[in-house]
Amino acid sequence: DIQMTQSPSSLSASVGDRVTITCQASQDISNYLNWYQQKPGKAPGLLIYDASNLETGVPSRFSGSGSGTNFTFTISSLQPEDIATYYCQQYDNLPYTFGQGTKLEIK
Amino acid sequence: EVQLVESGGGLVQPGGSLRLSCAGSGFIFSSYEMNWVRQAPGKGLEWVSYISSSGSTIYYADSVKGRFTISRDNAKNSLYVQMNSLRAEDTAVYYCARVLTRGIAAWGYWGQGTLVTVSS
Repeated sequence: DIQMTQSPSSLSASVGDRVTITCQASQDISNYLNWYQQKPGKAPGLLIYDASNLETGVPSRFSGSGSGTNFTFTISSLQPEDIATYYCQQYDNLPYTFGQGTKLEIK
Repeated sequence: EVQLVESGGGLVQPGGSLRLSCAGSGFIFSSYEMNWVRQAPGKGLEWVSYISSSGSTIYYADSVKGRFTISRDNAKNSLYVQMNSLRAEDTAVYYCARVLTRGIAAWGYWGQGTLVTVSS
């Protein structure tokens, strides 16, 4: 199975800060990498697919980059509504696997 | 508007069975691959199973292989998972999820989830 290692596992930042989360795959997954946001008590929502494509309706402050084994998710200017847990997910190989999540809090 | 609504969760004893359903609306159900994804209380996300649009191709996570059976009825716009030999570690919120578009396993639409609790 492909292991997805996300860091950090938790993060505290101020409104307006630039926030970066990384995701490392245990083997080359090309760009088959998605990012999800999950707010407490809610289902996950897709933010970024294929490493860098912004899902329709998602604010442009969210972005993704990377390929191969190293990926980055960025919020350019943190907003209060961005408080959530973020997950990366690979779909290069079955089983599809997720990172362990990054819990983002407001400082 | 795309909607996915799960049902069928509940409390079941270890070794028992449960069948979850997911009703889709607002899109051509028969055109999209579907998945089940679960989340144990306070834990991360775990992919469980995949079914192709026609139902001809199916995959499972090793943790459920041989115990869970995914299926779909395109005439009823519904997805199912039959869960047998349930274990405490199967306790989770189960989500059905639709792919964004064919060939991209990005799950752009999710149901609200249904809680399965396996306990005596």
